Amino acid sequence: EAGVTQFPSHSVIEKGQTVTLRCDPISGHDNLYWYRRVMGKEIKFLLHFVKESKQDESGMPNNRFLAERTGGTYSTLKVQPAELEDSGVYFCASSPGPNYGYTFGSGTRLTVV
Amino acid sequence: AQSVTQLGSHVSVSEGALVLLRCNYSSSVPPYLFWYVQYPNQGLQLLLKYTSAATLVKGINGFEAEFKKSETSFHLTKPSAHMSDAAEYFCAVTTPSGTYKYIFGTGTRLKVLA
Repeated sequence: EAGVTQFPSHSVIEKGQTVTLRCDPISGHDNLYWYRRVMGKEIKFLLHFVKESKQDESGMPNNRFLAERTGGTYSTLKVQPAELEDSGVYFCASSPGPNYGYTFGSGTRLTVV
Repeated sequence: AQSVTQLGSHVSVSEGALVLLRCNYSSSVPPYLFWYVQYPNQGLQLLLKYTSAATLVKGINGFEAEFKKSETSFHLTKPSAHMSDAAEYFCAVTTPSGTYKYIFGTGTRLKVLA
């Protein structure tokens, strides 16, 4: 089966610009998660979708971040406007349920300059 | 609240030596625990998981971990290190309710010396 796909793999943008990250989960996985790792720190939860509904967005840093999941399939994470502290690696993961663990994508490395 | 502590951000072992990566957790409810590995330029790959069944869990690539409730630990071991084991390893905890979001440790980078 195809894995979790994220693109772009790298993005370098200037402060104040907008960036949209995309995640395509494994087909049939209702649960989709976004995580972020800032350099040298731990991987932190951003939000969780079940199908197209946001179940938990307690980890979203602020209202510059907007996540959507169209029709319960792929998801996008938009950062607008980007700030320097948004730099890091953004991971997407999908799962059919809690006993299975997650399948992670390769991540998007975002650099804001 | 849950938390995970991984002792040692960098660990070096000789090829063929025992690998021991430490993970201690804090959880007010019975946890689920996971170990993930990240190779360069790749995503996180599930090594093994504890979901309240057997306390000794065997995973891929010869790794195993033992859930010790009394010590709140879930250390990862491998009897004999290979050069290909060089990677970053993450321990994570979650609870089997709610959103199942993970709390990750800060990661341990394993270096294998020839």
